[in-house]
Amino acid sequence: AQSVTQLGSHVSVSEGALVLLRCNYSSSVPPYLFWYVQYPNQGLQLLLKYTSAATLVKGINGFEAEFKKSETSFHLTKPSAHMSDAAEYFCAVRGGNNNDMRFGAGTRLTVKP
Amino acid sequence: SQTIHQWPATLVQPVGSPLSLECTVEGTSNPNLYWYRQAAGRGLQLLFYSVGIGQISSEVPQNLSASRPQDRQFILSSKKLLLSDSGFYLCAWSVDQIFSFFGPGTRLTVL
Repeated sequence: AQSVTQLGSHVSVSEGALVLLRCNYSSSVPPYLFWYVQYPNQGLQLLLKYTSAATLVKGINGFEAEFKKSETSFHLTKPSAHMSDAAEYFCAVRGGNNNDMRFGAGTRLTVKP
Repeated sequence: SQTIHQWPATLVQPVGSPLSLECTVEGTSNPNLYWYRQAAGRGLQLLFYSVGIGQISSEVPQNLSASRPQDRQFILSSKKLLLSDSGFYLCAWSVDQIFSFFGPGTRLTVL
């Protein structure tokens, strides 16, 4: 079975600062990994995904994540935070043969001016 | 392009009343469909998924049920709502079983 753990339910950064949202996964098979963003009262929007190709994955809005098998991690980063990045971010994992995704508890990102 | 619809967007229901939330997908055929619930501060919990018409898999025991009467229609129901059923319900679909697209969600408040 698969699972993800997001370290830190709340992260606060200043505008222009580095964003780092942490995600560690557990999977018995080579995983597919995802980051989604959710703005208030909206559904989830896919930011980026890892599907066993390049380990450094670039997504929308300047975000990227690196798959590190040795650390079982898939941390999300952005070099310079923007006010519009304030949202909740979810890491998710899917096993190769499963029909579902397992989500982390989410990390709420606050961006201070 | 593919589109996913959910309605209603918000719903306030008394305890013990029935529930019916609908999700429809456009622009794709034979999708896998999912219902998730998002409770405050608890992330997303998979409730049901369906790989075809009439095929429903339940992930957690609860007083909710799901049905898939048509290829692109997925319905979440309850005969009697509980307070604990309050939350944000998200429908999602996938075709390649790799990642999912999410609908806009339904905010359910049970009083």
